Amino acid sequence: GESVGLHLPTLSVQEGDNSIINCAYSNSASDYFIWYKQESGKGPQFIIDIRSNMDKRQGQRVTVLLNKTVKHLSLQIAATQPGDSAVYFCAENRYTDKLIFGTGTRLQVFP
Amino acid sequence: GAVVSQHPSRVICKSGTSVKIECRSLDFQATTMFWYRQFPKKSLMLMATSNEGSKATYEQGVEKDKFLINHASLTLSTLTVTSAHPEDSSFYICSANKRGGGYEQYFGPGTRLTVT
Repeated sequence: GESVGLHLPTLSVQEGDNSIINCAYSNSASDYFIWYKQESGKGPQFIIDIRSNMDKRQGQRVTVLLNKTVKHLSLQIAATQPGDSAVYFCAENRYTDKLIFGTGTRLQVFP
Repeated sequence: GAVVSQHPSRVICKSGTSVKIECRSLDFQATTMFWYRQFPKKSLMLMATSNEGSKATYEQGVEKDKFLINHASLTLSTLTVTSAHPEDSSFYICSANKRGGGYEQYFGPGTRLTVT
């Protein structure tokens, strides 16, 4: 069935390194994608979004890349910090209000 | 802007009782509010979508008589877990769309429900 999924359930990186979190989606009709960060016991926090008419968008220390050819989304975090440790979810929107969430990737940052 | 609050943040109740969780958009009017359930180390599962003044739309497999949703105003939605059982214990999260703000959802901090 249709799904939004992630390749890596856990990613461990050293402080200061760059992190790349990947997400695969299966519905080519999706037109809006969001990355959320969720810390333990808290609600998801918006990080960055991208529309299907773009292939790259940059924020502060974060970059989202969208490859529609292979239905792949990635989140790049530059100079990863301990405060970046969390679970990261990608979500897609398919011309409705509803978001479909991926399974999540846990990012662990070690000194 | 775009702050969403939930109350309570944690609640423990006895099996068979009902629990109400409130979701408020503090600094904006919400076109639509969403209720999610999240099990430990799992993703968010959409339970229902609610619009102010109309009945909620429930996702497949979610019992509408079990999880009552009321969307009384553009800033308030409530979820009532009726006749709660231990298997209803979970993390419940609400979100809201800004009126005229597109598809981005702003999430509340979540409510941890424990049914004993």
